[in-house]
Amino acid sequence: QVRLHQWGTGLLKSSDTLSLSCAVYGGSFSGHYWTWIRQPPGRGLEWIGETNHLGNSDYNPSVKSRVSISLDTSKKEFSLKLTSVTAADTALYFCARRVSAFTGYGPPYYYMDVWGNGTTVAVSS
Amino acid sequence: EILLTQSPGTLSLSPRDRATLSCRASQTINNNYLSWFQQKPGQAPKLILYGASTRATGIPDRFSGSGAGTDFTLTISRLEPEDFAVYYCQQFGRSPYTFGQGTKVEI
Repeated sequence: QVRLHQWGTGLLKSSDTLSLSCAVYGGSFSGHYWTWIRQPPGRGLEWIGETNHLGNSDYNPSVKSRVSISLDTSKKEFSLKLTSVTAADTALYFCARRVSAFTGYGPPYYYMDVWGNGTTVAVSS
Repeated sequence: EILLTQSPGTLSLSPRDRATLSCRASQTINNNYLSWFQQKPGQAPKLILYGASTRATGIPDRFSGSGAGTDFTLTISRLEPEDFAVYYCQQFGRSPYTFGQGTKVEI
């Protein structure tokens, strides 16, 4: 059974750099996309971005100029860095695994099946 | 960006009722790229359906999904007490990948 454990700094000041990490226990590390999602207090979910072991990354334009997601394959960990944070970055941050399930015909299924428990990040001015 | 609009915003029902949740996309999405999640307060979202209609591992068969193109539906045939939560649809059809704003199913 695959499990994700995440950690990182929970209290930041404006202009700081947010840094979170997520460790993968069980399952394969390659062959999946590793993803970060966030949820501002009382609001819905926002996809931040993803990357895989081949270095293919994709980011939400809303944060693209400030974000990077990296992998440490040897440790089976991936990390999120978000620079120049403001109060608008205050949220519950989740890491997740995105599966690409090929059926042998037609397009693959894409879905996020395993999630971390979430890390609360608060940015003060 | 593909906008996903969920309706209703809140669904007030009782245990054993049938719940029907709608998700409408601003552009056509291949079914294989549409998921539904359940989220309870203070918890991570939990995958309920992927491929618009395939139940994730361990999800009971009272949950079902349908739809194609721009209109998708999550149906809970007979609500159990543990089903009261917020439900989100989500798409991988085009980046940036987006979520609907959520439907709260409350007692």
